Amino acid sequence: GAVVSQHPSWVICKSGTSVKIECRSLDFQATTMFWYRQFPKQSLMLMATSNEGSKATYEQGVEKDKFLINHASLTLSTLTVTSAHPEDSSFYICSAHRGTSYEQYFGPGTRLTVT
Amino acid sequence: AQTVTQSQPEMSVQEAETVTLSCTYDTSESDYYLFWYKQPPSRQMILVIRQEAYKQQNATENRFSVNFQKAAKSFSLKISDSQLGDAAMYFCAYRSAQAGANSKLTFGKGITLSVRP
Repeated sequence: GAVVSQHPSWVICKSGTSVKIECRSLDFQATTMFWYRQFPKQSLMLMATSNEGSKATYEQGVEKDKFLINHASLTLSTLTVTSAHPEDSSFYICSAHRGTSYEQYFGPGTRLTVT
Repeated sequence: AQTVTQSQPEMSVQEAETVTLSCTYDTSESDYYLFWYKQPPSRQMILVIRQEAYKQQNATENRFSVNFQKAAKSFSLKISDSQLGDAAMYFCAYRSAQAGANSKLTFGKGITLSVRP
């Protein structure tokens, strides 16, 4: 159990367009989801914490208007990269927290390439 | 704020040998969790082992064990009988036991482990 999926796994978009990444908890309800960004051979950088039905909490330095996060249900959170630019190219990972568990369950990640 | 330090960027181990990955952390809290995550080339994050700070006994999961030194704020991972499939990036992570579901993971920079056949 405790499976988290992400869609798409890989997306290429043109500079200036927007792209949406979905994160779903498949077999549990996730009151809290987290979005990370990871550059090659680097650590995960937390972008924001997403709670169902409320506004996301962004980490310092993360542009709220560029990275729109919506947590519309207990099983779905979305990250929309607006007006994407080549510097937004990265690997985006979501994780979900289940109930009182200590553990975060990670999605497989989404590779975004902006041309 | 909590910090996690992994000072070794890379390590290499011979297949079937034992390797220890180091991690130190800094916190003023007394109750927290520590984790080791593995990220293979697929980039899927995999939980290797966890340690609750209130437990004195070191956690063990098959070939993986930790040396948790709370006073020294040290949390090293020992991999015994290394296998080719252990080659990956390994991250040490800290999570406060407070703040419930909103409690964030703080990651170290990671270490790339290679396994020589």
